[in-house]
Amino acid sequence: DVKVTQSSRYLVKRTGEKVFLECVQDMDHENMFWYRQDPGLGLRLIYFSYDVKMKEKGDIPEGYSVSREKKERFSLILESASTNQTSMYLCASSLSGGQENTIYFGEGSWLTVV
Amino acid sequence: AQTVTQSQPEMSVQEAETVTLSCTYDTSESDYYLFWYKQPPSRQMILVIRQEAYKQQNATENRFSVNFQKAAKSFSLKISDSQLGDAAMYFCGNTGTASKLTFGTGTRLQVTL
Repeated sequence: DVKVTQSSRYLVKRTGEKVFLECVQDMDHENMFWYRQDPGLGLRLIYFSYDVKMKEKGDIPEGYSVSREKKERFSLILESASTNQTSMYLCASSLSGGQENTIYFGEGSWLTVV
Repeated sequence: AQTVTQSQPEMSVQEAETVTLSCTYDTSESDYYLFWYKQPPSRQMILVIRQEAYKQQNATENRFSVNFQKAAKSFSLKISDSQLGDAAMYFCGNTGTASKLTFGTGTRLQVTL
């Protein structure tokens, strides 16, 4: 079974703090993704990575950055957290192209910025 | 650019009945995949069904099936013999060769006795 693990399930941070959300997958997937989920807005893609040290902006990258130093790990960074970044963040991974294009998700990280 | 539209924010179905959730999409890709994911209260995203765009035959998985109309860019999900455990948010998604998955805003399905 594919496992995508988000180490922090619930976080409360103060405005202006630097926040790291970590995600690890154990299936040697090339692609990794960070989404945020907000009521009425569905899941919106923040960043994705298709290889180590490679990254692409998604639909809402402003205020976020990412790091992928190892294939299995993809970190989302909020350089200076703001209250409008209070949300649930979902990490996901998938194989590249070919026949298996299913995306597997972690359990989510609830971030509250006060 | 990819867009996915789910026009039904909420749906309700009685247990054992059939319900259809709507999804339309737009994409410039010639080769793409379509997905339905279920998100129960635990928030874990669970793959329900997947359709390759090049396949004309509609995908089925037990009680779940899709009606894929490629020309109309429509990808609806039919749930037969609905069960209480089917109550969840359902998200339609579209991914192209770049593997970037774009979701709709979701449909909340209630299942009543």
